[in-house]
Amino acid sequence: GENVEQHPSTLSVQEGDSAVIKCTYSDSASNYFPWYKQELGKRPQLIIDIRSNVGEKKDQRIAVTLNKTAKHFSLHITETQPEDSAVYFCAAKGGTYKYIFGTGTRLKVLA
Amino acid sequence: ETGVTQSPTHLIKTRGQQVTLRCSSQSGHNTVSWYQQALGQGPQFIFQYYREEENGRGNFPPRFSGLQFPNYSSELNVNALELDDSALYLCASSSTTGSQETQYFGPGTRLLVL
Repeated sequence: GENVEQHPSTLSVQEGDSAVIKCTYSDSASNYFPWYKQELGKRPQLIIDIRSNVGEKKDQRIAVTLNKTAKHFSLHITETQPEDSAVYFCAAKGGTYKYIFGTGTRLKVLA
Repeated sequence: ETGVTQSPTHLIKTRGQQVTLRCSSQSGHNTVSWYQQALGQGPQFIFQYYREEENGRGNFPPRFSGLQFPNYSSELNVNALELDDSALYLCASSSTTGSQETQYFGPGTRLLVL
């Protein structure tokens, strides 16, 4: 069935360093890939997304890359700050109606 | 913050009871999806409603049911509650513009089944 694998499950970086989270999807019909940030006790918030006709998208310190051939997409956060600490989820949406979410990455930015 | 709201914020029920959760979608959005998020897990798709019709369903039993109203707000009903139903229930609204679709989550309802 449809599946999204996300790695790593936890990630600790020093403030100012970069963080990379990777996801792999199984449904080749997937064409939309959002990333959500979820702080403790709060709703998932969309931080960036990419569609299958684009290979890379950047928004300030956040970027997402997509490799459709390998079915990989990644989130890159540069110059990390303590407020970036949260759980990050990737998701994939294909020709069907539903989003398949990864299992999440807990990012800790150490001051 | 998004314009998606949910009620109630917290709920405690006992096993076997029934519960109704509510979601108001963001203005202009005609699609609502419901998710179950267990502690430490990613959201799991329950079902989606588009223009008052169920548009698709995940791997949840029939005791999970829903409705969407003409104003695109939605309800999630769960019958015969089980302990494993304890989770954060999220709704997300979206609007399909051409082939584009962006989904925004509500704050969630935290359900505890005792």
